[in-house]
Amino acid sequence: AQTVTQSQPEMSVQEAETVTLSCTYDTSENNYYLFWYKQPPSRQMILVIRQEAYKQQNATENRFSVNFQKAAKSFSLKISDSQLGDTAMYFCAFMKQTGANNLFFGTGTRLTVIP
Amino acid sequence: GAVVSQHPSWVICKSGTSVKIECRSLDFQATTMFWYRQFPKQSLMLMATSNEGSKATYEQGVEKDKFLINHASLTLSTLTVTSAHPEDSSFYICSARDFLAGGYQETQYFGPGTRLLVL
Repeated sequence: AQTVTQSQPEMSVQEAETVTLSCTYDTSENNYYLFWYKQPPSRQMILVIRQEAYKQQNATENRFSVNFQKAAKSFSLKISDSQLGDTAMYFCAFMKQTGANNLFFGTGTRLTVIP
Repeated sequence: GAVVSQHPSWVICKSGTSVKIECRSLDFQATTMFWYRQFPKQSLMLMATSNEGSKATYEQGVEKDKFLINHASLTLSTLTVTSAHPEDSSFYICSARDFLAGGYQETQYFGPGTRLLVL
């Protein structure tokens, strides 16, 4: 079974500063995908960034980047130049590459950007 | 990115009635859609996997006779909460897997959710 752990229920960061959200996972799969989703107060789930396990290079999307450590089963999200609109719940998620393709979610981290 | 819609966005119903929620992929085909339930301040809990043209696969503890799922086309899946009770009040979210993506494009797209309140 797959499990995803987010050990930081809440975090805050000053506007324009950098923050890192932690995520670890457990799986026996070798090929899989990892995601960070953002859920603002509207509750719409928005894909922030994705990583393929077979890629060693860390994914980046503008101000968002990940530190993917496959051996350690760690997948942290770094948000640079934090903006007020980044305030949201952030969920780390895992998906197997084959078979059932549902997402396994962590419990989420509530991020507040302070002006 | 791909767009997934849900209808209705919110619904209030009386206890004992049935409620149907639609999930549509607007600009891509989705052979597989997923239904999640989310309680306040909690994570998403997978309820079932909806497969086009076949029966849905339900997660352990989810009553298939209470939460009826139909996936009749590549762009539409419906979730019907039958004989709803107050404990069924929740936020229901669907997601759709882009059928033609695959490989490095593998991604799920989420609908905006449906708030259900059963009185």
